[in-house]
Amino acid sequence: NAGVMQNPRHLVRRRGQEARLRCSPMKGHSHVYWYRQLPEEGLKFMVYLQKENIIDESGMPKERFSAEFPKEGPSILRIQQVVRGDSAAYFCASSPTIAGTDTQYFGPGTRLTVL
Amino acid sequence: GENVEQHPSTLSVQEGDSAVIKCTYSDSASNYFPWYKQELGKRPQLIIDIRSNVGEKKDQRIAVTLNKTAKHFSLHITETQPEDSAVYFCAAITGTASKLTFGTGTRLQVTL
Repeated sequence: NAGVMQNPRHLVRRRGQEARLRCSPMKGHSHVYWYRQLPEEGLKFMVYLQKENIIDESGMPKERFSAEFPKEGPSILRIQQVVRGDSAAYFCASSPTIAGTDTQYFGPGTRLTVL
Repeated sequence: GENVEQHPSTLSVQEGDSAVIKCTYSDSASNYFPWYKQELGKRPQLIIDIRSNVGEKKDQRIAVTLNKTAKHFSLHITETQPEDSAVYFCAAITGTASKLTFGTGTRLQVTL
């Protein structure tokens, strides 16, 4: 049973470009969460999605950031017009569908560097 | 919203000694408390978790205790080994929110 997959593992962008980060949850998991970790800091919640639905986006900046989890394919976190402050590790986590099961399993992360 | 505080920020122990990391949370409705271990450049890895209906849980050298009245929970690592060296994060989930609120992390260094 493969774990949570993320790609790319490393992404370098110049200021003003777009970054697309992908996350495939564990098999049987339909809940996806995105977290951001700045260097030497803890993880901060960004967005929680289920298939074709954004459940909670309270941690995601209103401008430039968007997320989706389509019926088919991975979840995507999109950052438009990146700035240096977007440089961070972005982790995706997934949890099972069963109600009351809260355990979240993390992917290896995408390390975004904005030049 | 939920707020989680974690202490200490750094902890150095000698191999074989015990390590204790403490966290407090603000939302009395929080009901799930996982602990993650993160090695440098790696993903957070779940090491133990506890739900609000129990006060203690143990898994080999690792244990977690929960005091719902005081709203704090602690991670205990006994017989520490060099491979325990990492950053440890506590977290909490409020039942209806599903999102994890993390503490600020504790850098544990186990010295020989």
